[in-house]
Amino acid sequence: QSVLTQPPSASGTPGQRVTISCSGSSSNIGSNYVYWYQQLPGTAPKLVIYNNNQRPSGVPDRFSGSKSGTSASLAISGLRSEDEADYYCAAWDDSLTGVFGTGTKVTVL
Amino acid sequence: EVQLLESGGGLIQPGGSLRLSCAASGFTFSSYDMSWVRQAPGKGLEWVSGISGSGDTIFYADSVKGRSTISRDNSKSTLYLQMNSLRADDTAIYYCAKSQFSSGWYDYWGQGTLVTVSS
Repeated sequence: QSVLTQPPSASGTPGQRVTISCSGSSSNIGSNYVYWYQQLPGTAPKLVIYNNNQRPSGVPDRFSGSKSGTSASLAISGLRSEDEADYYCAAWDDSLTGVFGTGTKVTVL
Repeated sequence: EVQLLESGGGLIQPGGSLRLSCAASGFTFSSYDMSWVRQAPGKGLEWVSGISGSGDTIFYADSVKGRSTISRDNSKSTLYLQMNSLRADDTAIYYCAKSQFSSGWYDYWGQGTLVTVSS
């Protein structure tokens, strides 16, 4: 099964900017939208970015997304303690399957 | 308010079968695609299967293809996942999610139901 590659961890102090990368291929990120999910401990994932760089209503503008070629990234600016969570990228693959990233644990120091 | 409530999880022996259900409310169920996503203990998210609003288009992950069947009953606003020939590596929390077909869009998730495959 195709998997999107993310760094296992990222960290920053309150107020800093943290960026998470997501690497895929031409059959997924390269040809389809990218989505980002936040998963707080013990809870279901929550959509924070859709269509590469759009925020659902209620998601703070501290969260932003971008995509270039077969890679995407999620940036969290003005890091806050409540941002400490696991983050996953996701996309559709042209092999007719959904794919998720390996996940990144964000720690607020 | 959109609500998704999964049920049917539990402890099952290897080789056994299980049917998961997901009761939906707060939206016009038949108008939306639905998906199952699972998460093994301490691991990442894995897409399992998706079904269109009408039920006529279905996709499966290779890991469950041939062993699982996704279906829906729009009259009951309920999504199902029939899982057969269960293996230890099927152990996971199974989430149902309201989704957009052929995309990575899952805008509402249930709380999940735990399936444990063990003898």
